[in-house]
Amino acid sequence: AAGVIQSPRHLIKEKRETATLKCYPIPRHDTVYWYQQGPGQDPQFLISFYEKMQSDKGSIPDRFSAQQFSDYHSELNMSSLELGDSALYFCASSLGHGTALYGYTFGSGTRLTVV
Amino acid sequence: TQLLEQSPQFLSIQEGENLTVYCNSSSVFSSLQWYRQEPGEGPVLLVTVVTGGEVKKLKRLTFQFGDARKDSSLHITAAQPGDTGLYLCAGVRNNNNDMRFGAGTRLTVKP
Repeated sequence: AAGVIQSPRHLIKEKRETATLKCYPIPRHDTVYWYQQGPGQDPQFLISFYEKMQSDKGSIPDRFSAQQFSDYHSELNMSSLELGDSALYFCASSLGHGTALYGYTFGSGTRLTVV
Repeated sequence: TQLLEQSPQFLSIQEGENLTVYCNSSSVFSSLQWYRQEPGEGPVLLVTVVTGGEVKKLKRLTFQFGDARKDSSLHITAAQPGDTGLYLCAGVRNNNNDMRFGAGTRLTVKP
């Protein structure tokens, strides 16, 4: 069965550069969630989208922005990168709003390293 | 402060032993979920519990949701090296889309 696809798997950027992470949800899933997981940390919720509209916002820095497109894929844009942005970035998807109750399917993540 | 407190933080046991991991909070949750994560991979959902007092079994894994829906436990019987990984509990409050993770329990099962 198709899963959540994230690209790229690995990304190395320099400080103050920009990065774009992509997430392709499970087919027919209309809700996408982004999480950031620092080394040895638990995943921290950043932002979510339902039907191409932002639905919930967590601890996403102002330097980051995200959107969901008409085909339901989502992109996380990160600008003015800092060393502390180095982390695993996970995307998850679900069908329908308010479905966190039943758990998410996560992608394999993008490992961002800022040097 | 962490909304969900997991204990222990680290656990190293021998193959064949039993173990229990705890997830506690002062908040009430609409549901609690347990995930297992391997290094460099995304969390994989193991189970979701919704009803207070609910017990679910998944082979050698037993999950329980507290009566007050503030805590949960994961019990593994006869642990195997393949059970090694990071176990994360996650809670959803107020039926919304906001799911928050605990800090995780890193389990190592030695052959």
